[in-house]
Amino acid sequence: QKEVEQDPGPLSVPEGAIVSLNCTYSNSAFQYFMWYRQYSRKGPELLMYTYSSGNKEDGRFTAQVDKSSKYISLFIRDSQPSDSATYLCAMTQNSGYALNFGKGTSLLVTP
Amino acid sequence: DARVTQTPRDKVTEMGQEVTMRCQPILGHNTVFWYRQTMMQGLELLAYFRNRAPLDDSGMPKDRFSAEMPDATLATLKIQPSEPRDSAVYFCASGSARTNYGYTFGSGTRLTVV
Repeated sequence: QKEVEQDPGPLSVPEGAIVSLNCTYSNSAFQYFMWYRQYSRKGPELLMYTYSSGNKEDGRFTAQVDKSSKYISLFIRDSQPSDSATYLCAMTQNSGYALNFGKGTSLLVTP
Repeated sequence: DARVTQTPRDKVTEMGQEVTMRCQPILGHNTVFWYRQTMMQGLELLAYFRNRAPLDDSGMPKDRFSAEMPDATLATLKIQPSEPRDSAVYFCASGSARTNYGYTFGSGTRLTVV
């Protein structure tokens, strides 16, 4: 079993919907949590970066970390067709260490 | 915007041939990673370097893969001999304490071994 689990989807939503993407993990030592967005034939792009538990908001994106449940989420408000991509969660125990990735969730936002 | 540059973009090669992939990390980034992405396994860590010294290459098949950083502006990943199961997208990423280790990925090298 991988340390980081993520539902691959695909997830299809209408434009304007609120999207919820989630990951679970098994290693309680993870402290740094990230969300990457990956468009087709492109490299992953860092979207959100959080440390320990709590929420972080950046524009339409909100990242939540619940370390007690080993569960992280990314919410996208007012979703747009340009948000259609694969979203990868990633995490590590210490800053500067290698990231452990989920397999990614494919999101399609339809006009 | 600063970017991580990977070459070649695409590579098709025959089984048994040597393949070399190159990465130019962002200037000033002292941590460099090589990841491999497949549909089945997702992103898997192959190796990473800090200040050009290898920190972890446990994810790399040692008999055929090698990773080096001859200088701070170049990281290489070699496969010799290549096999069809090596077909994947290989990504390089870099970061530093200055960016809180929010790593920047290159566009990848898409390798097909036939």
